[in-house]
Amino acid sequence: DGGITQSPKYLFRKEGQNVTLSCEQNLNHDAMYWYRQDPGQGLRLIYYSQIVNDFQKGDIAEGYSVSREKKESFPLTVTSAQKNPTAFYLCASSMGRVRAGELFFGEGSRLTVL
Amino acid sequence: EDQVTQSPEALRLQEGESSSLNCSYTVSGLRGLFWYRQDPGKGPEFLFTLYSAGEEKEKERLKATLTKKESFLHITAPKPEDSATYLCAVQPNLIQGAQKLVFGQGTRLTINP
Repeated sequence: DGGITQSPKYLFRKEGQNVTLSCEQNLNHDAMYWYRQDPGQGLRLIYYSQIVNDFQKGDIAEGYSVSREKKESFPLTVTSAQKNPTAFYLCASSMGRVRAGELFFGEGSRLTVL
Repeated sequence: EDQVTQSPEALRLQEGESSSLNCSYTVSGLRGLFWYRQDPGKGPEFLFTLYSAGEEKEKERLKATLTKKESFLHITAPKPEDSATYLCAVQPNLIQGAQKLVFGQGTRLTINP
């Protein structure tokens, strides 16, 4: 079955550590996204990529980094510079510009800073 | 600034009691409006796309409608399995950043048996 796989589902981090969240898709989608979800707030865009080896900052990119070396993979690194990293992180993909708003989401990764 | 506001924040209904969720938006040109369903601890699931005022889409007990300033998600004779958070998002009609969606904060719907 096609879909998006995020790992790990739960992650605990000590302050000062970098962590990387994995996102893999087998939908053959061109575009991939990372969103952050906090209680009572809408999803906020961290980074997005429309094509391999290219990505753009979203609304809250500070303290995060990404790479897009393969079409199927879009890992997100939460760096120690992110002041409040505890959140639910969602990876998504879409077919690209044609149906850009129809996002397919993974199951999410919940990051907790100890 | 592009903005999406959903109301109410939470809604509790009895099974079979129909109601509507509201999504009000201000956006610099609307390319599309999208509804998603999110179960607790899961990623959102795409439901509908609406492109122009007057458009309607239906799926089982759900019907989404669109005007120039808001969208409604009507739920007819809901069942407990319809309990979820419903998210609304808009896509601005911009050349640059056209793939960026603006999400509302969601409406948490609970259907009691």
